[in-house]
Amino acid sequence: EAGVTQFPSHSVIEKGQTVTLRCDPISGHDNLYWYRRVMGKEIKFLLHFVKESKQDESGMPNNRFLAERTGGTYSTLKVQPAELEDSGVYFCASSHFDSPLGAYEQYFGPGTRLTVT
Amino acid sequence: QQQVKQSPQSLIVQKGGISIINCAYENTAFDYFPWYQQFPGKGPALLIAIRPDVSEKKEGRFTISFNKSAKQFSLHIMDSQPGDSATYFCAASIGGTSYGKLTFGQGTILTVHP
Repeated sequence: EAGVTQFPSHSVIEKGQTVTLRCDPISGHDNLYWYRRVMGKEIKFLLHFVKESKQDESGMPNNRFLAERTGGTYSTLKVQPAELEDSGVYFCASSHFDSPLGAYEQYFGPGTRLTVT
Repeated sequence: QQQVKQSPQSLIVQKGGISIINCAYENTAFDYFPWYQQFPGKGPALLIAIRPDVSEKKEGRFTISFNKSAKQFSLHIMDSQPGDSATYFCAASIGGTSYGKLTFGQGTILTVHP
């Protein structure tokens, strides 16, 4: 079974530019989460999809961030325009309601390292 | 406001020793406490988890100790091995409509010397 994949692995952009991150969850996982880790700090929750619907987007920093999940499969996270403080590692995770721990059993992707200069 | 505080930030242990990482939380509504292990270039991977209705859970060399009254939980790694060298994160989650939303500690970089 393929794990959670994320693309790109690294992205370096200038302040003011737009970047789109992509996450492909494990096939069949209805829950998809985005998290972010700013250097040296804790991993912070951004938002949670159940299939194509946003269940909780309380962690989204501001309206420069837009997340979508097309047809309940892959998800994209767009940052427009990017600011210096957006730099960090963006993780995607997915889970299945039918796993032993349900939605709690999250599988993480390797992350996208975003650097805004 | 950090809801889960983790210590120490870094830890160096000799092979065969015991590694102990501590976490404290504030929100008594948390009902699931996982530990994640992360190797360089990889995403965090679920290592072991506990619910607040038990005080201890053991899986192989890894044990979670949970103290509900003190709002603290810890990870013990027995017989630590160089292959255990990684970053460890504690986390907590609440059920209900926020199910699965994890609140993480800051992470502990563990180095096990051979």
